[in-house]
Amino acid sequence: KQEVTQIPAALSVPEGENLVLNCSFTDSAIYNLQWFRQDPGKGLTSLLLIQSSQREQTSGRLNASLDKSSGRSTLYIAASQPGDSATYLCAVIADSGYALNFGKGTSLLVTP
Amino acid sequence: SQTIHQWPATLVQPVGSPLSLECTVEGTSNPNLYWYRQAAGRGLQLLFYSVGIGQISSEVPQNLSASRPQDRQFILSSKKLLLSDSGFYLCAWGRAGGAYNEQFFGPGTRLTVL
Repeated sequence: KQEVTQIPAALSVPEGENLVLNCSFTDSAIYNLQWFRQDPGKGLTSLLLIQSSQREQTSGRLNASLDKSSGRSTLYIAASQPGDSATYLCAVIADSGYALNFGKGTSLLVTP
Repeated sequence: SQTIHQWPATLVQPVGSPLSLECTVEGTSNPNLYWYRQAAGRGLQLLFYSVGIGQISSEVPQNLSASRPQDRQFILSSKKLLLSDSGFYLCAWGRAGGAYNEQFFGPGTRLTVL
């Protein structure tokens, strides 16, 4: 069974810092990996999708990398802002091809 | 552009009562549709998915059922709610033709069973 782990569980940084969120998965036979942002009490916003054949994706200040062989992905946030405060979730597509397997998330707080 | 709606936004129901949560998608045709649940202290878990009208697949055994009466409508139901059904229910859609496509989520329904 695919297990997805996110480290750290919580992170607090001052505004302006660059930061890295980590995601690991136990079964490297994934089809894609998706990073989401969730604000308190809200739904999920898709940030980046990395196909299994890709190494990284970039969107604005966000850069996500994927190393399938080692079962790892990182989300890099440059020049963090208070508006980046949220929970960040990593998810991989399971063998069935439909279920996203989620980690429990990293709760990020960016202080002014 | 595509949008996804869920209602109600919040719901408080007594144990043993029925449940109906609705999800609709606009701006796309024949989407894959999904119901996920986010329970306190646990990760998101896929409950049901559908690749077409009347086609429902269940990922985990449970007290809930799903239906897809129209192309862009997905309904989550229960005949008798349990305390353990409390949670945040999220509907998602993905483009047809690929199970591995990006999934987009709705705003969610917070269900509290008392």
